[in-house]
Amino acid sequence: EVQLIQSGGGLIQPGGSLRLSCSGYGVTVSSYYMTWLRQAPGKGLEWLSVLQTGGETYYSDSVKGRFTISRDNSKNTLHLQMNNLRPEDTAVYYCATDRSPFDIWGHGTMVTVSS
Amino acid sequence: DIVMTQSPVSLAVSLGERATINCKSSQSVLSSSNNKNYLAWYQQKSGQPPKLLIYWASTRESGVPDRFSGSGSGTDFTLTISSLQAEDVAVYFCQEYYSGPQRTFGRGTKVEIK
Repeated sequence: EVQLIQSGGGLIQPGGSLRLSCSGYGVTVSSYYMTWLRQAPGKGLEWLSVLQTGGETYYSDSVKGRFTISRDNSKNTLHLQMNNLRPEDTAVYYCATDRSPFDIWGHGTMVTVSS
Repeated sequence: DIVMTQSPVSLAVSLGERATINCKSSQSVLSSSNNKNYLAWYQQKSGQPPKLLIYWASTRESGVPDRFSGSGSGTDFTLTISSLQAEDVAVYFCQEYYSGPQRTFGRGTKVEIK
């Protein structure tokens, strides 16, 4: 079965850092555009970042300069390094393959930014 | 950026009845090069990630029941559930993938049983 398994997340104080991971099973993350999205409690879906197959990266204005997307091909894993976290970053974070559209999703991981 | 506007915000439909959700984009998502609409629909049940239902505005993803259908072109789109089942209770989102690399979603429509 094709799956994206997420890890990381949790409770972090404002200004802190976290790294999220997304490991592919039955899917090679380097072969697809890989994306991070998030969903604040009771809200809609927000696109955050994409890592394209050629290594190009793009970010939404809301996270540019604070978040970094990367992948470790040897571990078939996508990462999202999140720095200088703010309370408004509190959300469930999802990874997904972007094959226009998003067809494989991780299960999501909760990030809570609070003192 | 393209803005996606969904309506209604919520919808209560009797079992077996039709549910219709609308989605309007602020600019056309129809490509003149391939005549395809870069529009998808997702279903999100409580506590779960979104699930792809429809892409290219009207193509059902593998395994999606045929009671789900998508229509429309350019800027106006519709998701129809022809005969609502109890397992269809969810929030439905439209999404454009025309203007890369960023993607934009509608705010969602909550479908409930009347």
